[in-house]
Amino acid sequence: GQNIDQPTEMTATEGAIVQINCTYQTSGFNGLFWYQQHAGEAPTFLSYNVLDGLEEKGRFSSFLSRSKGYSYLLLKELQMKDSASYLCAFLSGYALNFGKGTSLLVTP
Amino acid sequence: EAGVAQSPRYKIIEKRQSVAFWCNPISGHATLYWYQQILGQGPKLLIQFQNNGVVDDSQLPKDRFSAERLKGVDSTLKIQPAKLEDSAVYLCASSWDSYEQYFGPGTRLTVT
Repeated sequence: GQNIDQPTEMTATEGAIVQINCTYQTSGFNGLFWYQQHAGEAPTFLSYNVLDGLEEKGRFSSFLSRSKGYSYLLLKELQMKDSASYLCAFLSGYALNFGKGTSLLVTP
Repeated sequence: EAGVAQSPRYKIIEKRQSVAFWCNPISGHATLYWYQQILGQGPKLLIQFQNNGVVDDSQLPKDRFSAERLKGVDSTLKIQPAKLEDSAVYLCASSWDSYEQYFGPGTRLTVT
């Protein structure tokens, strides 16, 4: 079957680093995505990993281990505006399968 | 470049009524998706179109939901009749290459 799991909530301090983990199970895998979703808004694309390793894009980095079914999103130099839900999703065939999202609260 | 457009932004209906949502994807994007996002959950794919053909509608409740993309551009999602559990945000997304998807602002449906 297909399954994807990530923590429900996390809290971190402005200026700090936070890592959001995601584990998944699927028979078909074409890539791992991270999206950011602010309350009441549409998801916006953050990153895409198809091969193992770390992809860095500014303050955000994403890591993938296909053998472990594991990914994480790393956010550095946290800002208040980073308070949002972070959605992990794997691509199986042509369909994106989303997790429930991790609600991140950044505090002063 | 203009983003994905959706209307209406909000809709309140009573159960057993009908409702339709409209989506206009980013120009040139061949793939269009409709997702349902229930509060506190991630988006769930309802249907995926490639041009005007259906690629995946395995999670679409076909007894009450229907969708079309007649000319390979705009799309309409309909619910008839609505149930209380259909209360959700309906997101439309489009992509050029079936990888990076661009989402519209969504339609928030409340069924009373």
